[in-house]
Amino acid sequence: GAGVSQSPSNKVTEKGKDVELRCDPISGHTALYWYRQSLGQGLEFLIYFQGNSAPDKSGLPSDRFSAERTGGSVSTLTIQRTQQEDSAVYLCASSLGLAGGGGDTQYFGPGTRLTVL
Amino acid sequence: AQRVTQPEKLLSVFKGAPVELKCNYSYSGSPELFWYVQYSRQRLQLLLRHISRESIKGFTADLNKGETSFHLKKPFAQEEDSAMYYCALSGSRDDKIIFGKGTRLHILP
Repeated sequence: GAGVSQSPSNKVTEKGKDVELRCDPISGHTALYWYRQSLGQGLEFLIYFQGNSAPDKSGLPSDRFSAERTGGSVSTLTIQRTQQEDSAVYLCASSLGLAGGGGDTQYFGPGTRLTVL
Repeated sequence: AQRVTQPEKLLSVFKGAPVELKCNYSYSGSPELFWYVQYSRQRLQLLLRHISRESIKGFTADLNKGETSFHLKKPFAQEEDSAMYYCALSGSRDDKIIFGKGTRLHILP
């Protein structure tokens, strides 16, 4: 079956514009994560969805960042009024979410490379 | 609070030499530990998890609760081991997984 997919693969935008990044998790996976990966910063947790529970937004760096997950499947990460420091690769991962999902294997998407000019 | 520390951002090792990627964690209970790897132009993927006690691509990692460490080791490095390695921790079943900052392993010919 298909793995986690993300779109677009690359996004170039101008400072101040809004962007939406999409993640399609593996079918049946109830846990979904967004991460940001940049040079020197490693893998930075952004947000975690688990089933119908309220998302863990503790990693979102500012109120310009938001994410939603519709129907327990597809997720969209939105960055408003983008800044140059938002440039990074945004990764999505999903897991089965067994009893909370913390101990599951995460399956990662290919990422979206965001460049803010 | 849960925390994963990978003290080395970059580790360069000659081909054939032993490799040890360090990982220390902070967690008050019984954690589950993982190593994830990202090869060039590939997706981040699970390498191994401590509960499996397996060797993957010649790599092993032993959970040392006394030293709160989960170092990744391989006796003889190969050029194809060059990649970014992330140590990760999961606490209770309801908690998200926490990643370290990662170590880039560069195998020198």
